Amino acid sequence: QSALTQPASMSGSPGQSITISCTGTNSDVGAYNYVSWYQRHPGKAPKLMIYDVSDRPSGVSNRFSGSKSGNTASLTISGLQAEDEADYYCSSYTSSSTWVFGGGTRLTVL
Amino acid sequence: QLQLQESGPGQLKPSETLSLTCTVSGGSISSRNYCWGWIRQPPGKGPEWIGSICNSGSTYNNPSLKSRVTMSVDTSKNQFSLKLTSVTAEDAAVYYCAKVCSNGRCCDFWGQGTLVTVSS
Repeated sequence: QSALTQPASMSGSPGQSITISCTGTNSDVGAYNYVSWYQRHPGKAPKLMIYDVSDRPSGVSNRFSGSKSGNTASLTISGLQAEDEADYYCSSYTSSSTWVFGGGTRLTVL
Repeated sequence: QLQLQESGPGQLKPSETLSLTCTVSGGSISSRNYCWGWIRQPPGKGPEWIGSICNSGSTYNNPSLKSRVTMSVDTSKNQFSLKLTSVTAEDAAVYYCAKVCSNGRCCDFWGQGTLVTVSS
């Protein structure tokens, strides 16, 4: 069982917005603003989409945004596009000086 | 743009040592005080952080694996490596190498991953 809890799957239609949640504890997500989100297309390298809860690396579309409330972080994708269909993983730094990941969310664009 | 590529044997027997290498291209591995990490993902499960090593020599390990993990950096080959001793079926996973973000709290470049199976 993964340390962070994500919905196993989500779906949305092109143009819609979806929000993927990532629930941890007050020893990881709730303790630090060090939540990151990764996108992985089949057979490809994971791509960093969000770091430090809400910051976007250069080159990542502003359709992707992150937030956090208490022990739950969220990734919102607005204006869904077919290319957004992928697996998404959250990760957080922990009070044990380690990193933990979520189990992943498979996003389907209908 | 950095590119990372994992390499190593894809199949091991129980009790053997897993040795993986990550080759970095598009930049020097010794630039700045970069840190380099290993993450694995067992079939049907979420990723698990294994550990990371910095150019300074500092290492950070997952306590659950610490005693079995050795990491190293070879600047002459622009590579870094992972050794995991005494593997069992539970170590079967896709293993990823990655560059740790400058703030140390994420990974901003990843390899595509390499599948490692453990079977007698």
